[in-house]
Amino acid sequence: DQQVKQNSPSLSVQEGRISILNCDYTNSMFDYFLWYKKYPAEGPTFLISISSIKDKNEDGRFTVFLNKSAKHLSLHIVPSQPGDSAVYFCAASGGGSEKLVFGKGTKLTVNP
Amino acid sequence: DVKVTQSSRYLVKRTGEKVFLECVQDMDHENMFWYRQDPGLGLRLIYFSYDVKMKEKGDIPEGYSVSREKKERFSLILESASTNQTSMYLCASSPSLYYEQYFGPGTRLTVT
Repeated sequence: DQQVKQNSPSLSVQEGRISILNCDYTNSMFDYFLWYKKYPAEGPTFLISISSIKDKNEDGRFTVFLNKSAKHLSLHIVPSQPGDSAVYFCAASGGGSEKLVFGKGTKLTVNP
Repeated sequence: DVKVTQSSRYLVKRTGEKVFLECVQDMDHENMFWYRQDPGLGLRLIYFSYDVKMKEKGDIPEGYSVSREKKERFSLILESASTNQTSMYLCASSPSLYYEQYFGPGTRLTVT
């Protein structure tokens, strides 16, 4: 049973436009959510996180939105840049567990 | 800056060999993790450790074991490598709950 779902395997946007990456989760015990970016042949790097007491967190061009009632979060990148082209993983944890549960990733391509 | 290093970036082993993958972190983190990443499957947790000599199985522990004799070092062992263990292996560490995990660069293991 997949607890964290990223339903879009890929997304393509034009440079300068907004990229919106989506993530759904099923486990109501999750209370901490993260986004990671991964380039080929490198380890994932942490981008931004949000706890369940908030519904929005912003860091520069990156904003994460959390809708607890819908069990949905999204990552907005504005404006998108070619260097943002990577695979983005959504992850969640909660219920006292140290474990992160990852989605399968969305490959973002930002075209110049 | 947190640094997580992995002993090899690329490794080629034969079926049946015993394989050791080592991970070292320099930030005195309590928790360490081993994942594998496969196309279309995202990151899957193999084992994690929340203290020296303590370990817990993740989602796919079969065919693997781990060792944590010192706080900074976490080893993944493939007792008898098989071709279905060809994958990208990622090590991560984190200081505690509700902190992001910091990843190493990964080891691309090929078993022939």
